[in-house]
Amino acid sequence: KQEVTQIPAALSVPEGENLVLNCSFTDSAIYNLQWFRQDPGKGLTSLLLIQSSQREQTSGRLNASLDKSSGRSTLYIAASQPGDSATYLCAVRDDKIIFGKGTRLHILP
Amino acid sequence: EAGVVQSPRYKIIEKKQPVAFWCNPISGHNTLYWYLQNLGQGPELLIRYENEEAVDDSQLPKDRFSAERLKGVDSTLKIQPAELGDSAVYLCASSAAAVADTQYFGPGTRLTVL
Repeated sequence: KQEVTQIPAALSVPEGENLVLNCSFTDSAIYNLQWFRQDPGKGLTSLLLIQSSQREQTSGRLNASLDKSSGRSTLYIAASQPGDSATYLCAVRDDKIIFGKGTRLHILP
Repeated sequence: EAGVVQSPRYKIIEKKQPVAFWCNPISGHNTLYWYLQNLGQGPELLIRYENEEAVDDSQLPKDRFSAERLKGVDSTLKIQPAELGDSAVYLCASSAAAVADTQYFGPGTRLTVL
């Protein structure tokens, strides 16, 4: 059974710093992995989708990598801003769609 | 392009009452998902539709939950009767294709069962 873990559960960093969020999964036979952000009381906003054949995807200040063999993905955020404060979730897709519990990120002005 | 639309945004009911949630996916998206999200947790898939067909409903508590997607567009998720433990956010998402495509989420319906 696929399990998805996100560490840390919460993170506070000063504005301007680069940071890395982690997502690990137990079964490497996945179709893709998707990163989302969720603002309080809102739905999920898709950030990046990495297909199983890809190693990374980039969008603006965000870069997501995927290492299927080790069951890991990272989301790199460059030059963090207060507007980046949100919960970041990863979701792994095999025959099911399994989400992690998320990392609550707080960027300190 | 309009996003995924859900209504109502908030619903408060007493236990044992019925409740229904409505979702309108992005135009042209064949795949529709219903998720349940508890506080501090990631979403959990309840049911996935490919057009009108429910292709994955293994996580749907069928004794009290039901869903339909008539004509392969809008969808309704129903709970009857609601229990206290059903209090959560119910999220709807859609994607253009079954596996490879990005999921787009609606704002969710926050259900409180008293």
